[in-house]
Amino acid sequence: DVKVTQSSRYLVKRTGEKVFLECVQDMDHENMFWYRQDPGLGLRLIYFSYDVKMKEKGDIPEGYSVSREKKERFSLILESASTNQTSMYLCASSLGASGRKEQFFGPGTRLTVL
Amino acid sequence: KQEVTQIPAALSVPEGENLVLNCSFTDSAIYNLQWFRQDPGKGLTSLLLIQSSQREQTSGRLNASLDKSSGRSTLYIAASQPGDSATYLCAVRSRAAGNKLTFGGGTRVLVKP
Repeated sequence: DVKVTQSSRYLVKRTGEKVFLECVQDMDHENMFWYRQDPGLGLRLIYFSYDVKMKEKGDIPEGYSVSREKKERFSLILESASTNQTSMYLCASSLGASGRKEQFFGPGTRLTVL
Repeated sequence: KQEVTQIPAALSVPEGENLVLNCSFTDSAIYNLQWFRQDPGKGLTSLLLIQSSQREQTSGRLNASLDKSSGRSTLYIAASQPGDSATYLCAVRSRAAGNKLTFGGGTRVLVKP
């Protein structure tokens, strides 16, 4: 079974703090994704990565950056957290170009910025 | 631009009744369609993936159909149980969205004992 894990289920941070959200997958997937989910707005793609050290902007990249130094790990970074970044953050992974591209999600991180 | 709609937003049925969940999309040039389940405060669990060349997929009590020409997919859950209570989301991967997933808003299902 594919397993996607996220470093924290719940996080509380203060405005201006630098925040790291970590995601690890154990199925050698090439593609990894970061989404945020908000009531009434659904799931929105922040960033994604097709390979190590590769990154592409999604629909709402402002205020975020990412890092993919190893194939299994994809980190989302909030350089200076703001209250409007309070949200549920979901990581996902899928096989690359030759695969079915079924996306598998982690359990989510509920981030609150005070 | 791809848009995905799920109607109704919420549904309540008595236990044992079959569930029918709808998903519609505006651009029929899709690569695949995926159905997910989400429990409150949790991540998404993949239920079924239908490739664009397929008409349906089945897994246990779940059956999903795909009609690309009309831009619709339907998820059927037979003999519903209280444990089926959750939000169900569909998502399509399409060229119109740059090969990324476009999600519907979800249908929140309550199965009453």
